[in-house]
Amino acid sequence: GDSVTQMEGPVTLSEEAFLTINCTYTATGYPSLFWYVQYPGEGLQLLLKATKADDKGSNKGFEATYRKETTSFHLEKGSVQVSDSAVYFCARDGGSQGNLIFGKGTKLSVKP
Amino acid sequence: DAGVIQSPRHEVTEMGQEVTLRCKPISGHDYLFWYRQTMMRGLELLIYFNNNVPIDDSGMPEDRFSAKMPNASFSTLKIQPSEPRDSAVYFCASSRSTGNTIYFGEGSWLTVV
Repeated sequence: GDSVTQMEGPVTLSEEAFLTINCTYTATGYPSLFWYVQYPGEGLQLLLKATKADDKGSNKGFEATYRKETTSFHLEKGSVQVSDSAVYFCARDGGSQGNLIFGKGTKLSVKP
Repeated sequence: DAGVIQSPRHEVTEMGQEVTLRCKPISGHDYLFWYRQTMMRGLELLIYFNNNVPIDDSGMPEDRFSAKMPNASFSTLKIQPSEPRDSAVYFCASSRSTGNTIYFGEGSWLTVV
């Protein structure tokens, strides 16, 4: 069935390192794609989104490009900070169902 | 604008007690979602509503769980009787329409002892 697969964590990086979190999806058609971030003790917040192929979502130095050829939406950041430590969730919209389908989340820890 | 508002933020209750979690979605949003998050199972969709009508409750674990949405600005998730394995963070979320961003509340942190 339709799903979202993201790389398993935890991911541990040093400050200023380059970050990539892989995400692929399965779907019929071209769903909207999202990255959410969950900081410790908080709810999920939208980080960025893309609604059609080749769109690039960006926010807070994070970027992700909607690649229909590879059905991917990888999250990248050129230089991570300690404050980026969080759990990151990739998601796609559920089409006519109205919900979002989430990946399992990837925990990122950034060390000073 | 106010976001999704959930109450209580934290609750500790004894096994067998009834638990009621409350949610006020963002005004104007037609969809309301209840999620549960645990370390073992991650983020699970329990049920969601469209225009106050339950659309998919296939994620509700068992009959002990029930959810209602009596009007566009209020929803409850009830667990009766509660069990220790129900300990989790329960998130309410809302969105304006299909394919749009879903906005999450800060969660209700439930501990059943």
